[in-house]
Amino acid sequence: DTGVSQDPRHKITKRGQNVTFRCDPISEHNRLYWYRQTLGQGPEFLTYFQNEAQLEKSRLLSDRFSAERPKGSFSTLEIQRTEQGDSAMYLCASSLVSDIGTQYFGPGTRLLVL
Amino acid sequence: AQSVTQLDSQVPVFEEAPVELRCNYSSSVSVYLFWYVQYPNQGLQLLLKYLSGSTLVKGINGFEAEFNKSQTSFHLRKPSVHISDTAEYFCAVSTSGTYKYIFGTGTRLKVLA
Repeated sequence: DTGVSQDPRHKITKRGQNVTFRCDPISEHNRLYWYRQTLGQGPEFLTYFQNEAQLEKSRLLSDRFSAERPKGSFSTLEIQRTEQGDSAMYLCASSLVSDIGTQYFGPGTRLLVL
Repeated sequence: AQSVTQLDSQVPVFEEAPVELRCNYSSSVSVYLFWYVQYPNQGLQLLLKYLSGSTLVKGINGFEAEFNKSQTSFHLRKPSVHISDTAEYFCAVSTSGTYKYIFGTGTRLKVLA
């Protein structure tokens, strides 16, 4: 069990560019969550998947954000036309439904939009 | 809807002293409660969780927490802290269904030599 991994760990981009982040959950974990954490705040829920189905999206997730989990394994989070306000740490977590939702977090991807 | 309040944004404490980090929650349904620790530039590590049963929960690194339903609290305690406990601590609540977390704003624990 190698834990949840995220790639890249850091990303610097210019405003208006598109970025994509990847999350690899713990194998056999059927739920995968994305959170966003800004400086000095707790993480905020963005969206979650059960297997390949995206079951809930937060109102924080504007039309510029899209997430996928095509085969129920890894997930990608894409931000189109990035804005400075998108600068944050993006955290991925995975869990087993049978584990009553205990989530295991990856190291995060820190995004800086210039 | 659920919410979590961590009343203390920063808690300084001397090494080997006891510490309590406070967490209060609001919910109209039964909840599951969690404490996570975050070291600089890292993800969150689970310290302990309350799902049901005994209200006193023991976790890793000598931490424990007590679920108090009447006061809607889940305070985190450690009898003797170490320098290495310096980190940000987050309380979170979830409910059955999505099990998504609602986090508090965090408490920065600084252990002083």
